[in-house]
Amino acid sequence: GAGVSQSPSNKVTEKGKDVELRCDPISGHTALYWYRQSLGQGLEFLIYFQGNSAPDKSGLPSDRFSAERTGGSVSTLTIQRTQQEDSAVYLCASSLGGTGGYQPQHFGDGTRLSIL
Amino acid sequence: AQSVTQLDSHVSVSEGTPVLLRCNYSSSYSPSLFWYVQHPNKGLQLLLKYTSAATLVKGINGFEAEFKKSETSFHLTKPSAHMSDAAEYFCVVRINTGGFKTIFGAGTRLFVKA
Repeated sequence: GAGVSQSPSNKVTEKGKDVELRCDPISGHTALYWYRQSLGQGLEFLIYFQGNSAPDKSGLPSDRFSAERTGGSVSTLTIQRTQQEDSAVYLCASSLGGTGGYQPQHFGDGTRLSIL
Repeated sequence: AQSVTQLDSHVSVSEGTPVLLRCNYSSSYSPSLFWYVQHPNKGLQLLLKYTSAATLVKGINGFEAEFKKSETSFHLTKPSAHMSDAAEYFCVVRINTGGFKTIFGAGTRLFVKA
């Protein structure tokens, strides 16, 4: 079946521009996560959505980063006034949530963001 | 504090020999434990998970892991490495601290020599 879909797969932009990254989770998955993976590093948690609950934004590195999830499905991660240190792979994952909190996360292939 | 430690940043084995990737965790809560694999330019793929059932967990591609509570370990093994196993492996802990929290290890890069 269809997995987690992320777009674009690659994005190159100039410093100072805004970017939007999209994540389409697996149908029926109520939990959605965004992570950042910098070159040679592990995964850095950014934000977590669970159903209609308020998102856990504790991992967002600055107020230039924001995310929304419309209709409990597709999510968009927005980075405003991009900086070179924002260059990374941004990974999205989804899982069954609620009482299935121990369910594994299913990952998309990521968006590779390069800031010139 | 909750943490996950992957004891080796790099592991190199010859094709056909056993693989051992080590993971230790620290948690005050009963964890669920996962191993993921990441091939170049791809997302993370689930290999196996432990969620308080059998302590020896079998996953895909011949991998398995054993949960040892007394040692707070969840090492990943495979009897015979294949060239296609070369990738980055992540040990992941998920705990319920009143809300679910996911903790990733730093990763172990596996090299497989012909």
